[in-house]
Amino acid sequence: SSELTQDPAVSVALGQTVRITCQGDSLSNYYANWYQQKPGQAPLLVIYNTDNRPSGIPDRFSGSSSGNTASLTITGAQAEDEADYHCNSRDSSGDLVVFGGGTKLTVL
Amino acid sequence: EVQLVESGGGLVKPGGSLRVSCVASEFSLNNAWMSWVRQAPGKGLQWVGRISSETEGGRTDYCAPVKGRFSISRDASENTLHLQMNSLKIEDTGVYYCVVGSVRFTDWGQGTMVIVSS
Repeated sequence: SSELTQDPAVSVALGQTVRITCQGDSLSNYYANWYQQKPGQAPLLVIYNTDNRPSGIPDRFSGSSSGNTASLTITGAQAEDEADYHCNSRDSSGDLVVFGGGTKLTVL
Repeated sequence: EVQLVESGGGLVKPGGSLRVSCVASEFSLNNAWMSWVRQAPGKGLQWVGRISSETEGGRTDYCAPVKGRFSISRDASENTLHLQMNSLKIEDTGVYYCVVGSVRFTDWGQGTMVIVSS
């Protein structure tokens, strides 16, 4: 079982805003990272250390955190944003690494 | 641009062994923390383990399900990362990704498929 919990599926209308959450006790102490994975492809880092975007990631992707919950927000979702989104962080001990179960985002 | 290319996946029987490898281009594996992440068919990602940079001692850590069965090593001369998998179980089936990083995974290979089945 994962120490980070994500909703299995979320949908958003084209052009609207969607928030994907990741919950876990370790997030009170450690940063979250977010990855986008499209079918048949390797994951791509889209947010790191809670709210930082790697070079080349559109600014419609943003991250935030409050208490034990980290969030990935897509403002003005595009059709190409339809993908699985995975969060990860350290585990509760801080020594190891855990992933959430992933959220499948559908853009309607 | 960092390029990571995994190889060595395949079909193996339960209890068997397999070694998967990852060759890096435009990047020195020796100077980085490297991890392996796997994904069972239709499932989420699972961190398998990591090795610290050589300057930080090449220390390894593993997730509980593989500890004692899997081993990560590095061949600096070949700029290659290895994952030795012993006593394989059906639940080890999945795509194995070589990734740069210890917690934040910035670059990923395309993955190699490991199938454990009788």
